[in-house]
Amino acid sequence: DTVLTQSPALAVSPGERVTISCRASESVSTLMHWYQQKPGQQPTLLIYLASNLESGVPARFSGSGSGTDFTLTIDPVEADDTATYYCQQSWNDPWTFGGGTKLELK
Amino acid sequence: EVQLVESGGGLVQPGRSMKLSCAASGFTFSSFPMAWVRQAPTKGLEWVATISTSGGSTYYRDSVKGRFTISRDNAKSTLYLQMNSLRSEDTATYYCTRVTTVADYFDYWGQGVMVTVSS
Repeated sequence: DTVLTQSPALAVSPGERVTISCRASESVSTLMHWYQQKPGQQPTLLIYLASNLESGVPARFSGSGSGTDFTLTIDPVEADDTATYYCQQSWNDPWTFGGGTKLELK
Repeated sequence: EVQLVESGGGLVQPGRSMKLSCAASGFTFSSFPMAWVRQAPTKGLEWVATISTSGGSTYYRDSVKGRFTISRDNAKSTLYLQMNSLRSEDTATYYCTRVTTVADYFDYWGQGVMVTVSS
């Protein structure tokens, strides 16, 4: 299975820029997608196909990368962005998720 | 507005069965593949199973193959997950998700239903 590795946690101050990384154990082309999960809620789609912003998602969120290295950027971070962020690949079967990066605001 | 509403969860003993349902509305259900994704308590997300638009093709993660069956009723706009021979490691919140036809990602999620496998 394709393993997606994310840093477990990050802490930033409101107004700062934050990058969340996701590294794949093998190439996933650009079939990488990002989700946000706030405490007690279901995940929601943020970015699809590595860099496409889902409708209704603030332009503060952006994605980049291809192959094995991907990044989700939030600039500037707001207090409401406190959540866990997951990457997911759909290039290789089975579809897999990263372990999640918990973003905390200072 | 797209809505996915799961039901059927609860407490079940190891080795027993349970069937989850997901009522879909706000879109043409028969035009989209659907999937179940689960999340064990305090853990990350894990894809479980996917079904094609017609129901003719199904896909499962290895750990549930032969025990879980995903199905759909397009006339009722409802997705199902029949879970047999349940194990403690199946304890999780199960999310019903819509799969895009573009590149196999999940663009809508239900609120989730908790399944607890314990004696």
